[in-house]
Parts: sequence; C-alpha cells; structure tokens
Amino acid sequence: QQPVQSPQAVILREGEDAVINCSSSKALYSVHWYRQKHGEAPVFLMILLKGGEQKGHDKISASFNEKKQQSSLYLTASQLSYSGTYFCGTELSSGGSYIPTFGRGTSLIVHP
Amino acid sequence: GAGVSQSPSNKVTEKGKDVELRCDPISGHTALYWYRQSLGQGLEFLIYFQGNSAPDKSGLPSDRFSAERTGGSVSTLTIQRTQQEDSAVYLCASSLVMGEQYFGPGTRLTVT
Repeated sequence: QQPVQSPQAVILREGEDAVINCSSSKALYSVHWYRQKHGEAPVFLMILLKGGEQKGHDKISASFNEKKQQSSLYLTASQLSYSGTYFCGTELSSGGSYIPTFGRGTSLIVHP
Repeated sequence: GAGVSQSPSNKVTEKGKDVELRCDPISGHTALYWYRQSLGQGLEFLIYFQGNSAPDKSGLPSDRFSAERTGGSVSTLTIQRTQQEDSAVYLCASSLVMGEQYFGPGTRLTVT
C-alpha cells in the first residue's frame, strides 16, 4: 500500500537533470516530498494538495497527477547539495484517521 | 525557533531491558508522529498523536511497544523487553498541517 518510487537510485554529474516518480495503487489526495541526507533527519520539501498542482522552489519542483495517482519530482541543473535520499509520502485512510506512509526512497548522488 | 528535539541521541541497551525515548515537538504543533528507520531503509510508521490521543496504534510492531503524549506536547515511546531486531533509528516528527512534518534528529537505539 505504500507509494512506489522509481528509480531506486540516480547518479548524476553536477548540472544534469533528474526526475523521481512516485505512484500509488490507491487514490492519492495529497503528496509530500522529503529529502534525507546521510546521517540526518528527513527535511520537508513540499506538499501538493490538488491534482494538477505544481510547485517548486529554487530548481526543485514537483507535479501531481491525481487521475494517474502519481507525482514527479524534478531536479534541474543539479547541485552537489542535492545528494541524498528522496521520499514521497501520502496519507492513507485507515479506520477514520489518516496514516502517513512513505515510499522506499530514491537515492540521488551528484558528482562534481 | 526551536525545532523538534529527541533524547537520548544514542542509546545502547542489553537485550531484555526496557527503554524510553523522548520527543519534544515544535511548540503549537498538534500532531506528533513516531517512525522507525533501519539502516538504509525507508520510514516505518509506528504511531501518531492528534493532541493527546492516538487514533491508530496499528503501526506498533508488537505489544512491547507503547507510546503516550501528555499535555499535547512531550511524547515518550517505550519499548519493553528489547530485542535485537528493535535496533534502529527512531524518528519523531511534528506538524501543524497534515503532510508537512518536521523531523527531530532521531534516537539511535542499539540492542546488544
């Protein structure tokens, strides 16, 4: 039931672009993205609440296709600081409450 | 302002002992979450609190795990009769808006 992320890993050179995908077999009402650097806690990047919504800051942006139950994270002109593991998350309805669930993560390595 | 804090940062315990992990959320955040992350793995949801109540405890791995939150603020996660498979980083997060979570630095638990 957890979202499925692809690819599992991406290796880039500085300045290259990357796309990380997140899809779900269950209806997605919102998608959120986090980045976790090695040995650190995950850091919130952005949340998308509506189908078709696109957001971004700096050169990291994301889109949310509610009908296709998927979201994509776009990293443009990647920087060394973008290295880390990216998680997408959503909330699944469970007995009247909403339980957060995350994908397994996509490891992004940016080389000089 | 102050972020989420957790204590202790590291805990080494012998198999069979009980441990208590503490989380101080961001002031004013009504929701508090506990996760477990094993080495190189994703985020395993354990439990969340809305105020002082936990609407869903199904994520707790066994009845050795329990958690409470008092005064809508500090939370403790207790693991009784620890086992080696309990070794992991335990992360706490708080939020005011669903999906936008702010994580603490985690407690690394090692059961010997």
